[in-house]
Amino acid sequence: EIVMTQSPATLSVSPGGGATLSCRASQTTLNKLAWYQQKPGQAPRLLIYDASTRATGIPARFTGSGFGTEFTLTISSLLSEDSAVYYCQQYIDWPVTFGQGTRLEIK
Amino acid sequence: EVQLLESGGGLIQPGGSLRLSCAASGFTFSNFAMSWVRQAPGKGLDWVSTIGGPRGDDPQYANSVRGRFTISRDMSKNTVYLQMNSLRAEDTAMYYCAKEVLAGTGLKFDFWGQGILVTVSS
Repeated sequence: EIVMTQSPATLSVSPGGGATLSCRASQTTLNKLAWYQQKPGQAPRLLIYDASTRATGIPARFTGSGFGTEFTLTISSLLSEDSAVYYCQQYIDWPVTFGQGTRLEIK
Repeated sequence: EVQLLESGGGLIQPGGSLRLSCAASGFTFSNFAMSWVRQAPGKGLDWVSTIGGPRGDDPQYANSVRGRFTISRDMSKNTVYLQMNSLRAEDTAMYYCAKEVLAGTGLKFDFWGQGILVTVSS
């Protein structure tokens, strides 16, 4: 099973600033990597897939990058509504696995 | 508009059974793999099971549920099911139904249901 490790566990950033979230895979996932945003009481929302392709309706403030075992989600011009937990997920192999999440606080 | 509506959750004693349902609409159901993903209270996301899209791929299960859970689908009702037997306290979670983005391109999920809570407790 591919283990996904996210860092940091929690990130606190001011509105208007930028945030960089990291995700590391225990073995290569090529570009088969997705990012999700989950707000309290809501289902996850797909942000990025294939490491760098924005999902439908996702603003350009969200950028995914990386290949192999190291991936990054960068969020610029942070808004209060970006407060959420962000998860990465690999889908190159069964079982598909998620990282443990990064909590992003905007304050 | 894609909609996924889960039902069938609730409180169940350890060792008991439940069947979750997910009614899908707004897309060609037979063309996409459908999955169940769960989230224990205060924890992260945990993939449970997937049933295949147009290629009719064999169902896939997480090791933690294989032999206890069975995924199936009814094409005539556009519904996917998760039969959960021999339930354990560690199965307590919000269960989400999720649709894959595009058949055959890898299992990432673009639409999710609102979730249904399963609580296993005596």
